[in-house]
Amino acid sequence: EVKLQQSGDELVRPGASVKISCKASGYTFTNYAMYWVKQSPGQGLEWIGTIIPLIDTTSYNQKFKGKATLTADKSSNTAYMELSRLTSEDSAVYYCAGQIRGRGYFDYWGQGVMVTVSS
Amino acid sequence: NIVLTQSPATLSVTPGESVSLSCRASQSISTSIHWYQQKSNESPRLLIKYASQSISGIPSRFSGSGSGTDFTLSINRVESEDFSIYYCQQSYSSLFTFGSGTKLEIK
Repeated sequence: EVKLQQSGDELVRPGASVKISCKASGYTFTNYAMYWVKQSPGQGLEWIGTIIPLIDTTSYNQKFKGKATLTADKSSNTAYMELSRLTSEDSAVYYCAGQIRGRGYFDYWGQGVMVTVSS
Repeated sequence: NIVLTQSPATLSVTPGESVSLSCRASQSISTSIHWYQQKSNESPRLLIKYASQSISGIPSRFSGSGSGTDFTLSINRVESEDFSIYYCQQSYSSLFTFGSGTKLEIK
């Protein structure tokens, strides 16, 4: 069974950074890209970026360049996203998602991590 | 960026009614559109891929149609568990984008 297990909710101070994780199981981690999606409170969904663990290649939505950094640890089948210089605009739920059974659509999602930026 | 416009923003219906939700793309995207359902405090769930292809485990009352710029998600005889938000997403461009959603609520 494919599963994407994300780390817990975070409360962080403005200006700080946060690193959230997404542990994959039930499939070969290196064979598939991992995607990250933002959902702001009461808002829709935005694709942040993609990492291909096999070759450590990343691509980002221009809007999130400089804000998000994607990495992956092949030894633990875990993908990470670090968000830097946090502001209130970064308060949101962040999902990791996979395109496992096909390409183009997200058929597996993590449970989401709520990041709250507040002093 | 390819912009997806969903309408209506909110749709109020009575259980048992059949509904159609619209998603319009800012340029032609062939059939590279996918539909998701998101219930409150849950992750999105894939309902339909590539405009009209069904997904294993999704009830048959959900169907999709369209190509080019205009797409429709249809729900035949809405059930109580269907009241949630529906999003479309395009994969024609590698810069994936989502629509702003249609909230299906009980009348």
